Amino acid sequence: AQTVTQSQPEMSVQEAETVTLSCTYDTSESDYYLFWYKQPPSRQMILVIRQEAYKQQNATENRFSVNFQKAAKSFSLKISDSQLGDAAMYFCAYRSAGSGNTPLVFGKGTRLSVIA
Amino acid sequence: EAGVAQSPRYKIIEKRQSVAFWCNPISGHATLYWYQQILGQGPKLLIQFQNNGVVDDSQLPKDRFSAERLKGVDSTLKIQPAKLEDSAVYLCASSSLAGRETQYFGPGTRLLVL
Repeated sequence: AQTVTQSQPEMSVQEAETVTLSCTYDTSESDYYLFWYKQPPSRQMILVIRQEAYKQQNATENRFSVNFQKAAKSFSLKISDSQLGDAAMYFCAYRSAGSGNTPLVFGKGTRLSVIA
Repeated sequence: EAGVAQSPRYKIIEKRQSVAFWCNPISGHATLYWYQQILGQGPKLLIQFQNNGVVDDSQLPKDRFSAERLKGVDSTLKIQPAKLEDSAVYLCASSSLAGRETQYFGPGTRLLVL
């Protein structure tokens, strides 16, 4: 079974600075997807960024980028120019790329605080 | 495009009572998921539907939890009887049938069992 580990229960960053959230995963599969979801206090899970394992290029979405190291099974999220609205729980998630749709396997999350 | 809808947003019940949650996925999404998120943890899959058929319910405590998706659209998740450890947020998500598509989540239902 696949597992996802987020080793940082809490992180903080000054507004306008850069922060990196860590994620490692364990799998024997070669084709899969990795995601970062943001969960603000409203509890709505919002997709931040997605990475396909077969793509070597790291995904980027505006101020959010990932460092995907397939051999090391590492998938970190970098938030640049942090804003107060970035404060939330961040979850790393794994999904198999099997036939049909497959469920997400989540880590325990990292709580990010942004200091004004 | 409307998102995933869930109701109620909050529910407080006493142990041994029953409760039901409702989810309406994004229009056209064939796959629907129910996740349980206990405080301080990431969500865990309870059950996955494709259209109105069950794909995976291996983590569903079937002695007390049940779920259905009769017409392949909206879904209900029921707990009967509830236990204290069922206190959690119940998240519904949906995705299209393309196989490589992202899951979109509803706002969740927070359940407190006293």
